[in-house]
Amino acid sequence: TQLLEQSPQFLSIQEGENLTVYCNSSSVFSSLQWYRQEPGEGPVLLVTVVTGGEVKKLKRLTFQFGDARKDSSLHITAAQPGDTGLYLCAGGYPDFGNEKLTFGTGTRLTIIP
Amino acid sequence: DTGVSQNPRHKITKRGQNVTFRCDPISEHNRLYWYRQTLGQGPEFLTYFQNEAQLEKSRLLSDRFSAERPKGSFSTLEIQRTEQGDSAMYLCASRSGFSSYNEQFFGPGTRLTVL
Repeated sequence: TQLLEQSPQFLSIQEGENLTVYCNSSSVFSSLQWYRQEPGEGPVLLVTVVTGGEVKKLKRLTFQFGDARKDSSLHITAAQPGDTGLYLCAGGYPDFGNEKLTFGTGTRLTIIP
Repeated sequence: DTGVSQNPRHKITKRGQNVTFRCDPISEHNRLYWYRQTLGQGPEFLTYFQNEAQLEKSRLLSDRFSAERPKGSFSTLEIQRTEQGDSAMYLCASRSGFSSYNEQFFGPGTRLTVL
């Protein structure tokens, strides 16, 4: 069973602050996705990273894929209340046919106005 | 709206009853996935289809669960003799077979409550 750990599990910060959340595995990913999920809704895809060392930016969000493709981070600059939600990372593993996504337990982010 | 749709959004049933959920994927996507998400957890893979063929099933998918995609378009997930432990959000996702990366797009989910 592939394990994908996310940290922290919960994060509550003031509007305007910066934050970083982490996603780690002992196995190599073929690709990794970050999703955001609102209560009662399905996950919404934010970004896909596939190359070791890759950095992608989405407005105030910066995603980084580790050189060894075993870990990833999401950095949010100047957090806003609209960033509140559950952030999930999900990996595809080549040894498992790459079809199913294995999800972490998520980081529940609350931005306080 | 051309995203993944799921019906119903909510289902409350009594233990022992059968329930069926429907998923309509993005129209050009030939791959369709079912996941289950319980409170405080990330989604867990249940099964996936490539066109009408069911190619992989998780051990989470007991004999009481069955999924179909008869014409390679919409899919149904049926749970027979529901148990309280089946209470969860059932998520459907789809992706294009032309994509090299496993970018799955999720529907809004069906929230099942078994009383």
